[in-house]
Amino acid sequence: DAGVIQSPRHEVTEMGQEVTLRCKPISGHDYLFWYRQTMMRGLELLIYFNNNVPIDDSGMPEDRFSAKMPNASFSTLKIQPSEPRDSAVYFCASRRDRYNEQFFGPGTRLTVL
Amino acid sequence: EDQVTQSPEALRLQEGESSSLNCSYTVSGLRGLFWYRQDPGKGPEFLFTLYSAGEEKEKERLKATLTKKESFLHITAPKPEDSATYLCAGGYQKVTFGTGTKLQVIP
Repeated sequence: DAGVIQSPRHEVTEMGQEVTLRCKPISGHDYLFWYRQTMMRGLELLIYFNNNVPIDDSGMPEDRFSAKMPNASFSTLKIQPSEPRDSAVYFCASRRDRYNEQFFGPGTRLTVL
Repeated sequence: EDQVTQSPEALRLQEGESSSLNCSYTVSGLRGLFWYRQDPGKGPEFLFTLYSAGEEKEKERLKATLTKKESFLHITAPKPEDSATYLCAGGYQKVTFGTGTKLQVIP
């Protein structure tokens, strides 16, 4: 299995632009998570899905952030409009079921100028 | 609110110098305590899951243990390639991550 796939790996954009991050989870995994990692706050859960349905989005910082999972093999995290404070590494992770470990993708490093 | 606290924040060891990393947790409905390793520029890599107090798991030079309030990651005779940030996490459907211990092993 190829593992969790994320794209792009690096994104540099200007303040106010729309940013879309993409994730392909491991086949057969029912759960998908989006995290943000910064030096100051560590790894923060933004939202997670179970069987393509959003279960908990309480970590989404504000309305500028949105996430979708249209099918079992694809998810997006969108920031519109982007701000410099959104600069971070964004990770996607998937998990087979509620009891098991998560597998992380390589992350997307986002820089908003 | 669920909390996972790791200590120390950073640890520098000489090659061969054994030590332990600590993870204390206050998590409602804990169903698993997870340890991950993260190398610079990469995503966290799964190491262990512990489910109940008294449980231990080992992998090469690493051994993870669990009590009712804490977990320890023991590193025996570490090598430079063990240098990384070690994260612990606890929870049920969603997990809370600690901020990690950055380990540096000097040759």
